Amino acid sequence: EVQLVQSGAEVKKPGESLKISCKGSGYSFSSYWIGWVRQMPGKGLEWMGIIYPGDSDTRYSPSFQGQVTISADKSISTAYLQWSSLKASDTAMYYCARRRRGSGSYWYDDYWGQGTLVTVSS
Amino acid sequence: EIVMTQSPATLSVSPGERATLSCRASQSVSTNLAWYQQKPGQAPRLLIYGASTRATGIPARFSGSGSGTEFTLTISSLQSEDFAVYYCQQYNQWPGTFGQGTKVEIK
Repeated sequence: EVQLVQSGAEVKKPGESLKISCKGSGYSFSSYWIGWVRQMPGKGLEWMGIIYPGDSDTRYSPSFQGQVTISADKSISTAYLQWSSLKASDTAMYYCARRRRGSGSYWYDDYWGQGTLVTVSS
Repeated sequence: EIVMTQSPATLSVSPGERATLSCRASQSVSTNLAWYQQKPGQAPRLLIYGASTRATGIPARFSGSGSGTEFTLTISSLQSEDFAVYYCQQYNQWPGTFGQGTKVEIK
């Protein structure tokens, strides 16, 4: 069974650093893209970026380029999202999702983590 | 960046009625488009990919159509479990962009 299990909720202060994780199981982690989606309180979904663990090829959405770092350790089937200096506006739920290519060569995101709530407050 | 615009923002529908949701792309995405359903407190769930292919386990009352810049998600007869927020997402330009969502609520 494919599963993506994310790390637990975090409460941080502005200016602090943070790294959250997403561990994949039940499939070949290195062979599928995996990415991160932000959902601010009461708002919609925003793609932040995506990584291919097999070779660490990483793509960022323009809004998030330089704001976060996405990485992966294929030896432990885990992807990461990190901030070097958090802001109050980073308060949100963060989801990881697996991307695959299906019939007709169309891409889609088929498995999602349960979400990690990050709260940044002084 | 490709901007996805969904309409309406909120759709009030009675159970058993048909719901039609629209999604427009700022430039052509061919048929590289998916639809997701999200219920409160849950992660999104894939419904449709390739603009019109239902994902595994998705009931036949959900259907998708369109290509280029105009897309539609139709729910033929709304069930109680279908009241949720629906997002379209384009995959033509990675990592992708979502529309702002359409909330389907009980009339």
